[in-house]
Amino acid sequence: NAGVTQTPKFRVLKTGQSMTLLCAQDMNHEYMYWYRQDPGMGLRLIHYSVGEGTTAKGEVPDGYNVSRLKKQNFLLGLESAAPSQTSVYFCASSEDVGAAFFGQGTRLTVV
Amino acid sequence: AQSVTQLDSQVPVFEEAPVELRCNYSSSVSVYLFWYVQYPNQGLQLLLKYLSGSTLVESINGFEAEFNKSQTSFHLRKPSVHISDTAEYFCAVTSGGYNKLIFGAGTRLAVHP
Repeated sequence: NAGVTQTPKFRVLKTGQSMTLLCAQDMNHEYMYWYRQDPGMGLRLIHYSVGEGTTAKGEVPDGYNVSRLKKQNFLLGLESAAPSQTSVYFCASSEDVGAAFFGQGTRLTVV
Repeated sequence: AQSVTQLDSQVPVFEEAPVELRCNYSSSVSVYLFWYVQYPNQGLQLLLKYLSGSTLVESINGFEAEFNKSQTSFHLRKPSVHISDTAEYFCAVTSGGYNKLIFGAGTRLAVHP
């Protein structure tokens, strides 16, 4: 019973490098989300998807892109990493109503 | 825009004492409300939720929260805390459809022996 799985768990990038974070869910949820967590700010929504092939911007989308080619996967990309993107990233999935289920997080440091 | 305010960033408390973590939200429409808990170096786990019905909701580990529409609050309480309750607690409210969540800044609960 994996739930929501994120890879990798940790990553260090140099400024300007690119990377992709992978999120996979096995609950057949339609909705998926990417949040970032920063100290004293709670979690903020980056992008979300309401179904396969759809994506939409959240509260803090700048500098990130996403894709949802398969229902169970939601990818978050950083094309040119910046120190301001140092954060802990959480993926979540849910149905239309009810609780969201979160992954364990990816701790990203951009130096 | 909707917002969630957690009034205390840190709450220290002794073991077996009662605790209340406060949460207020701003919204002019019906919302769903949640409390999530985050243990160190882990993801968020659902603690309890209010979707409809009884305004008092309970978790399996003794926490409860009461939805108060007139005061736009959803405070979390536990009558007797344990060391294992030490964690960060986040209040969240749905916003703008598609079950998107707006989170408060979090309250760090530290239970001391």
